[in-house]
Amino acid sequence: NAGVTQTPKFRVLKTGQSMTLLCAQDMNHEYMYWYRQDPGMGLRLIHYSVGEGTTAKGEVPDGYNVSRLKKQNFLLGLESAAPSQTSVYFCASTRGLSGSLRHQETQYFGPGTRLLVL
Amino acid sequence: KQEVTQIPAALSVPEGENLVLNCSFTDSAIYNLQWFRQDPGKGLTSLLLIQSSQREQTSGRLNASLDKSSGRSTLYIAASQPGDSATYLCAVRFDSNYQLIWGAGTKLIIKP
Repeated sequence: NAGVTQTPKFRVLKTGQSMTLLCAQDMNHEYMYWYRQDPGMGLRLIHYSVGEGTTAKGEVPDGYNVSRLKKQNFLLGLESAAPSQTSVYFCASTRGLSGSLRHQETQYFGPGTRLLVL
Repeated sequence: KQEVTQIPAALSVPEGENLVLNCSFTDSAIYNLQWFRQDPGKGLTSLLLIQSSQREQTSGRLNASLDKSSGRSTLYIAASQPGDSATYLCAVRFDSNYQLIWGAGTKLIIKP
């Protein structure tokens, strides 16, 4: 049981290049999330998914796209990378319980991907 | 705007001391509050989750308290150890927003 895994661990891009970050979870979780973490700031939600085939915008979605074609995978894409997207990206997942129980769940996090855009 | 603040940004204490980490939030209408631990190069690990109806939660040497009326939570660590060195983050789920709002964290260093 690997939990939540992320690939790659580290990547350097030039401005304008594109890339895809992969998140995979083996816990059969319904909900998945992409966050970015910047120095001196809390985690900010980029996009999230409440099930296979569904995605929604979070707090800072501009410049990113996501896809959830399979329940266990959540992809984060940067079509044209900018230096402002230099950050550490974390993926997380939850079971996605129904009703009020949903709010009581804790999130399981991957180890993060460090991205540097030059 | 709903915000979560953690002060100080960094804290260094000798091994064996008891210590308190602080988290403040701008809106008392919260659903729950969570404390996480982040180790370098690793993901975040949930430590404690306090529901809005609770005053505190305990796990081993950790005790988290919640005072909604004052918009504050504290994480108390007893008998600190070098292995407690990490960044501790507070996250709040407000009633009006399903998504977690995160503090920037407190980097804790326990000196042997």
